[in-house]
Amino acid sequence: KQEVTQIPAALSVPEGENLVLNCSFTDSAIYNLQWFRQDPGKGLTSLLLIQSSQREQTSGRLNASLDKSSGRSTLYIAASQPGDSATYLCAVSGANNLFFGTGTRLTVIP
Amino acid sequence: AAGVIQSPRHLIKEKRETATLKCYPIPRHDTVYWYQQGPGQDPQFLISFYEKMQSDKGSIPDRFSAQQFSDYHSELNMSSLELGDSALYFCASSNSYEQYFGPGTRLTVT
Repeated sequence: KQEVTQIPAALSVPEGENLVLNCSFTDSAIYNLQWFRQDPGKGLTSLLLIQSSQREQTSGRLNASLDKSSGRSTLYIAASQPGDSATYLCAVSGANNLFFGTGTRLTVIP
Repeated sequence: AAGVIQSPRHLIKEKRETATLKCYPIPRHDTVYWYQQGPGQDPQFLISFYEKMQSDKGSIPDRFSAQQFSDYHSELNMSSLELGDSALYFCASSNSYEQYFGPGTRLTVT
């Protein structure tokens, strides 16, 4: 069964810093990888999707990379803002469902 | 743009009661997924449907059943509710690689 791990579990940074969130998965036979943002008690907002044939995707201050062979993905957030505070989840796609990581809880301190 | 609609948004039930959660996918999306997210946990895949047929099954208890109807909406039926069923239930829809998530239904079993 696919296992997805995210490191660190929690991260606090001062506003303006650049940061990297890490995601690793055990089975490299994936269709794609998605990064989500979740605010407390709220739904999942898709941030970026990387297909298995791609190596990275960018959206605004966010950049996600994928190294399928090593089972790793990173989410880079540039110039962090207090509004970025949330839990970030990565999820890898099997044939018919998503396997979610444990999440990284990010706090950006003003 | 239209998003995934879930109803109800909040539901309170007592132990041993039944509950029905509804999901209305984005128009022209043919695949629906159900996920359960317990407190402080990552979302766990329950079940998915493609073109009204079950396409994959995850950690869905036997007390739960689901179906997708001719208009592509889906319902998750939960019987003999237990305290441990208290969670946020997400529905997602897709017509390709990316899953789009609804806001979730928060079920509380007392």
